[in-house]
Amino acid sequence: GNSVTQMEGPVTLSEEAFLTINCTYTATGYPSLFWYVQYPGEGLQLLLKATKADDKGSNKGFEATYRKETTSFHLEKGSVQVSDSAVYFCALSDRGNRDDKIIFGKGTRLHILP
Amino acid sequence: DTGVSQDPRHKITKRGQNVTFRCDPISEHNRLYWYRQTLGQGPEFLTYFQNEAQLEKSRLLSDRFSAERPKGSFSTLEIQRTEQGDSAMYLCASSFGTGTEAFFGQGTRLTVV
Repeated sequence: GNSVTQMEGPVTLSEEAFLTINCTYTATGYPSLFWYVQYPGEGLQLLLKATKADDKGSNKGFEATYRKETTSFHLEKGSVQVSDSAVYFCALSDRGNRDDKIIFGKGTRLHILP
Repeated sequence: DTGVSQDPRHKITKRGQNVTFRCDPISEHNRLYWYRQTLGQGPEFLTYFQNEAQLEKSRLLSDRFSAERPKGSFSTLEIQRTEQGDSAMYLCASSFGTGTEAFFGQGTRLTVV
């Protein structure tokens, strides 16, 4: 079946550091890929998305590029802020497949130190 | 539209009791999902609907769990004979079509004592 694997946390960085959170996936159809973020005490919200190979999703300074050849969708940010401290989830929905439900990785907790 | 709404936000119940949660999706969304989230974990898929049809129920889910979406609008998730292991955050999400992002509610936190 389909699956999402993301790097385990927690990840601790200093403010203004470069961030990468790795995500790889397995899917048999044509997946759409997503990054969701969960801030402390809040619900899950969509951070960015990409729907086809080589698309780049971006929002709030975060970016992720849909790489079909490496089945990856790594999340990056050039300069993190304390306010980026949260849990980040990679997810997919496999279009063109009977199994098209949205599934999530286990999440990566990010701590940004001032 | 106020987004996805879940009720109640918190539920404390005694082991062995039945509980029911409600989810009101975004009005034009035809897909509705239920997930369970425990501390430090990602959302675990439970079931999903397209309109009123239940497309899949997780094989990990026991027969004590059932969900409905009558008339393709709101949905209910019922847990019968609750166990302590059922304590978790139950999340509802909705989307329009396949391959599109889902919007989440704030969740219902269940505590079984």
